Amino acid sequence: KQEVTQIPAALSVPEGENLVLNCSFTDSAIYNLQWFRQDPGKGLTSLLLIQSSQREQTSGRLNASLDKSSGRSTLYIAASQPGDSATYLCAVRPNTGRRALTFGSGTRLQVQP
Amino acid sequence: DGGITQSPKYLFRKEGQNVTLSCEQNLNHDAMYWYRQDPGQGLRLIYYSQIVNDFQKGDIAEGYSVSREKKESFPLTVTSAQKNPTAFYLCASSPEDSIYEQYFGPGTRLTVT
Repeated sequence: KQEVTQIPAALSVPEGENLVLNCSFTDSAIYNLQWFRQDPGKGLTSLLLIQSSQREQTSGRLNASLDKSSGRSTLYIAASQPGDSATYLCAVRPNTGRRALTFGSGTRLQVQP
Repeated sequence: DGGITQSPKYLFRKEGQNVTLSCEQNLNHDAMYWYRQDPGQGLRLIYYSQIVNDFQKGDIAEGYSVSREKKESFPLTVTSAQKNPTAFYLCASSPEDSIYEQYFGPGTRLTVT
């Protein structure tokens, strides 16, 4: 059974710092990996989606990498801002069978002004 | 605007009552999903449907039921058999092809006392 782990569970950084969020998964037979942002009490906003054949995806100050063989992904946030404060979730979709996502428990990020 | 709507945003029920959460999408997506989120945790799959009139149990289906009579609608009923129904419920949809992202609704917070 696929398990997704996110480290750290919480992170507090001063504004302007570059930071890395980590995601690991136990079964490398994935179709894609998705990073989401969740604000308190809200739904999920998709940030980046990486197909299993890709190594990284970039959107603005965000860069996500994928190393499928080692079961790891990182989300890099450059020049963090207070508006980046949220919970970041990673999720993987399997290669076969149902297309539903398996989620990690998230990293709660606080960017101090 | 295309998107996913969930209603109501907040729902309060007495223990022993069944309650139905609404999820509607106008994205013309074939697949729809229901997830549950508990505080400080990731999302867990309750039910999913890849096509009208068909749905499958997820990881935590006990105490829940769904229907998929129309492509745009996927209501979730939380029955009195669900032992710990208080949670944040999120609905999602995606096109049939797995390379596409899952899109999420704003969620319904259910409190049962």
